Order: sequence, then structure tokens, then C-alpha cells
Amino acid sequence: AQKITQTQPGMFVQEKEAVTLDCTYDTSDPSYGLFWYKQPSSGEMIFLIYQGSYDQQNATEGRYSLNFQKARKSANLVISASQLGDSAMYFCAMRDGSGNTPLVFGKGTRLSVIA
Amino acid sequence: SQTIHQWPATLVQPVGSPLSLECTVEGTSNPNLYWYRQAAGRGLQLLFYSVGIGQISSEVPQNLSASRPQDRQFILSSKKLLLSDSGFYLCASRRTEAFFGQGTRLTVV
Repeated sequence: AQKITQTQPGMFVQEKEAVTLDCTYDTSDPSYGLFWYKQPSSGEMIFLIYQGSYDQQNATEGRYSLNFQKARKSANLVISASQLGDSAMYFCAMRDGSGNTPLVFGKGTRLSVIA
Repeated sequence: SQTIHQWPATLVQPVGSPLSLECTVEGTSNPNLYWYRQAAGRGLQLLFYSVGIGQISSEVPQNLSASRPQDRQFILSSKKLLLSDSGFYLCASRRTEAFFGQGTRLTVV
């Protein structure tokens, strides 16, 4: 069975600083995908970044990067140069090898960026 | 890229009334479609998913049902709403990444 753990209910970061949001996962399938989503107060879920289990390099998308440590089963999101607009809930999610299996989400981390 | 249309954005319904939430997808074909529910301040709970027309998998036994009458249409229904059905409902479509609709905030009173 899949499982996603986000141990930080809330995080604070100073504007322009970098922040790391933790995510660990558990799966017995060698092929899987990891996702991060941002949910602002409006409620929409915004896709940020994807990492495949066989990808050789860590995924990056602009100010977002995914620190993928396969042996430790962790997929932490790093946001560089935080902006006030980054304040939101952040969810880590995973799907296992079958392309048809749904995403399973962690409980989320609320990030607050302070001016 | 995919666009997920979901409506209505907000809905207030009395207990015992029926429900129909519709989700349509543009920009892709044969996607996997999902309905999630999010209680206030909580994570996403998978309700239903579909890998094709007429194919529905239910993750949580409850008084909700889902249907997929067309490739890019996914409907969430209930014959009689309960107070516990209140929440934020999100439709998602996935080929590789999952993209979400804007969500429907349902309040059952």
C-alpha cells in the first residue's frame, strides 16, 4: 500500500529565503511518481513539479526543485527565494507503477512567508 | 495542456436533497478522472476514479456515486445528501501529471 507522510503541519519562512518542505513515502513498487501541489486560499490545486522513480536527476521547475533521495524514500520540495505569494498549503502526492492508479496525497504543510 | 471545468463553484443544499456535480476536460483524450473531497484544513480523500467510459472505482463506501457517460465527462451524484457530505470537492484529470478543476465548495444545511 502507498503512504505519503508530511510531518510539518506548518512552516514559516522569511521572504527571499529558501525553504524545504518534507515528504517521505512508502511503496513496494519499483516504479512510481512523486508530485507536489500548491493550494492557495482559493482552493485550486496547482501542479508544481513531478519526479519519476527512474529519473536520474532531481526535477526542477523555476524556483521549485525536488530533492529526491530514493534510498531514504524522501521527496522534499525546495522553494528558493520565497515570495509572499508562496504562502499556501503544499501537498506531496504519489502514484505507483500502474498508470491507472490514483494519486495518494499527504496531509499537507501550510507555508507562511513573512515579509 | 489540459483544462478542467468544474461547476458550480459553491453550492448550499438542504439535507436529503439530490446532488449533481459535473466535471469536463479539454485538451486531452482518454484521461484517468478522479473525484476527491477535502474537509476544511485537511488533505484530499479519493472518492472515485475512472479509467474509461462507464468504468468507475469507488474508494470510500458512502451515499455518493459517480458516472462517466463520455470520455471527458465525470459526474458526482447523490440521491440524498447528508450533513457529513459537506466539503470541498475537486475533480482531477491525469495522463502523467494530474490537473485539477477549480473545485466546488458544498455546504449541506
